Amino acid sequence: GENVEQHPSTLSVQEGDSAVIKCTYSDSASNYFPWYKQELGKGPQLIIDIRSNVGEKKDQRIAVTLNKTAKHFSLHITETQPEDSAVYFCAASIKDSGGGADGLTFGKGTHLIIQP
Amino acid sequence: ETGVTQTPRHLVMGMTNKKSLKCEQHLGHNAMYWYKQSAKKPLELMFVYSLEERVENNSVPSRFSPECPNSSHLFLHLHTLQPEDSALYLCASSPRTGLGYTFGSGTRLTVV
Repeated sequence: GENVEQHPSTLSVQEGDSAVIKCTYSDSASNYFPWYKQELGKGPQLIIDIRSNVGEKKDQRIAVTLNKTAKHFSLHITETQPEDSAVYFCAASIKDSGGGADGLTFGKGTHLIIQP
Repeated sequence: ETGVTQTPRHLVMGMTNKKSLKCEQHLGHNAMYWYKQSAKKPLELMFVYSLEERVENNSVPSRFSPECPNSSHLFLHLHTLQPEDSALYLCASSPRTGLGYTFGSGTRLTVV
């Protein structure tokens, strides 16, 4: 099955600086890569996703890049703000897997701390 | 509110108890999931339901038993749990399997 590795486990950056979180996956058939943000006491919330037919996607201060050859993808947050402090999870799955009920495989998460 | 509601938010149960976790989604999604979230571990997929059809997951102990009576409701029945089953249990739904999950806030389960 799929295996997703995520680094780093903790990331501390100064407010206003950029943060980068990296993930690798093992199953070359995976073609859907979402990122989730989890705040304390809440469930994970989808913040951005990318499919294998594109290499980069951007939404305001967040962006995701995908390298299918190397099987890795990254989350980039620019101009970080205190409210960006949370745990971030990457995930991978095979979208449109022909009717099979596949779930997402998640990384272990990155605790992002924004220092004022 | 995300559109996925889980109850109860917190549950403490003894190892001999039987309890159930409930999940309800108001998003018109066709797939629902149970995930287990433990400290310092990845989110672990437990069960998947697609159009009320369950996908078997042989790695989940039989003391966890899911039920999906319709596409809007999902239950997780618990019996004779162990202390290591203490975790946050998250329900999610998506329009189709493997795509765009919406999570509930979870049930924090403590087994004593």
